[in-house]
Amino acid sequence: GNSVTQMEGPVTLSEEAFLTINCTYTATGYPSLFWYVQYPGEGLQLLLKATKADDKGSNKGFEATYRKETTSFHLEKGSVQVSDSAVYFCALSANDMRFGAGTRLTVKP
Amino acid sequence: GAVVSQHPSRVICKSGTSVKIECRSLDFQATTMFWYRQFPKKSLMLMATSNEGSKATYEQGVEKDKFLINHASLTLSTLTVTSAHPEDSSFYICSGTKPGAQETQYFGPGTRLLVL
Repeated sequence: GNSVTQMEGPVTLSEEAFLTINCTYTATGYPSLFWYVQYPGEGLQLLLKATKADDKGSNKGFEATYRKETTSFHLEKGSVQVSDSAVYFCALSANDMRFGAGTRLTVKP
Repeated sequence: GAVVSQHPSRVICKSGTSVKIECRSLDFQATTMFWYRQFPKKSLMLMATSNEGSKATYEQGVEKDKFLINHASLTLSTLTVTSAHPEDSSFYICSGTKPGAQETQYFGPGTRLLVL
């Protein structure tokens, strides 16, 4: 079945550091891929998405490229801020939506 | 936009009572709504999928008589936890999809339920 695997956290970075959170997927067909962010005590917010191979989703300085050859959708940001501290979920949508386990990011000033 | 609200945001109830959680799509018609449960520091677990005007489809292991879902209109779905017990304490999150764009879900802010 479809599944998503993302790097385990927690991840702790200093402000302005480079961020990568790895995400790989297993799916039949051509799923859409997503990154959602969850701030403490809140629901999930759509951060970015890509619907076909080689698409790059981007938002708020974050970006991720849909790589079909490596079945990956790694999240990157060039310079993180304290306000980026949250839990990040990679997800895919085919017949249903599958979420990764989430990666907690803490950015220290 | 695609805003989903949930009410209440937080509820405490006594064991044995029932609790209703509302999920509303504020600026779009949600043909399909989903209910998830999230345990502390864990990912989301899909409980059920509901389409407006029809019975919800429950995931394996989710008791449909305990978690009653009603999707009465294109902008409102409700989850009722019947005869709640402490083990039902959790964070419940709903989401909706827009017509013709079923692959993207828009999530509500969640409802934290504590059963004493």
